[in-house]
Amino acid sequence: DVKVTQSSRYLVKRTGEKVFLECVQDMDHENMFWYRQDPGLGLRLIYFSYDVKMKEKGDIPEGYSVSREKKERFSLILESASTNQTSMYLCASGGGSSGATDTQYFGPGTRLTVL
Amino acid sequence: GESVGLHLPTLSVQEGDNSIINCAYSNSASDYFIWYKQESGKGPQFIIDIRSNMDKRQGQRVTVLLNKTVKHLSLQIAATQPGDSAVYFCAENRLDTGRRALTFGSGTRLQVQP
Repeated sequence: DVKVTQSSRYLVKRTGEKVFLECVQDMDHENMFWYRQDPGLGLRLIYFSYDVKMKEKGDIPEGYSVSREKKERFSLILESASTNQTSMYLCASGGGSSGATDTQYFGPGTRLTVL
Repeated sequence: GESVGLHLPTLSVQEGDNSIINCAYSNSASDYFIWYKQESGKGPQFIIDIRSNMDKRQGQRVTVLLNKTVKHLSLQIAATQPGDSAVYFCAENRLDTGRRALTFGSGTRLQVQP
C-alpha cells in the first residue's frame, strides 16, 4: 500500500513563527504536492515538485516556500506564520516521470492553527 | 472559467440503497478523472479513476461512469453502508494548465441513514 505520512496531525503556532511541515512518501514517486483545504474553498494547490530540488508554484504560493532535498521528502515552510494560514494542510504524492498526470495519494493532513 | 463542479452539496441515502454522486466538468482537454473519499479529520482517499478512452470502470461496490458528450462524471456506490458516509471529490487533470496537477471539485457530502 502507498503510504504518505505527515510529521504532525495538529500544530499550534503563534503569528510570526517559522513553521515546517514535513511529508514523506515510501513509493518512490517522482511528484509531490502541498495543498491547503478550507471550508467552502476546497483543495487548493500551494506548491508541487516533479523531482528532487525542483519546485513549481501552484495556485496560492504566497507566504509559503518548499524544499525537496530527497526524493521521498517534501517540506512546506511558512516563513512567518499569519492567522490567515490557519488551515488543514495536505501532502500528496504520485506518479513517475512519464509526463502524464497520475493518481495522487494523500497523507492524513496537518491541522495548523496560527494564534 | 472552466472548472470541475458538483451538482449537489449534500446527498442523503438510506442504508442499503445505491448512491449516485455527480460531477460536471467543462474542460474537454481533460483526459483523466479520479474520485476521492474524505472522512472527517482524514486526508482524501483514492477510490477509483478513469481515463477518457473509457466510459465505465468498476471497482468493489463502486462504478465510475464518464459521459464525454455532456462532460459528466458520476460515482455509483452499490448497497451504501454507514461507513460510506464522507465527502466525495472528483478531480480532473487540467491539461490546459500545462502542469501535471489535478483540479478538485468542491465535494459532495454523502450521509447514510440507518
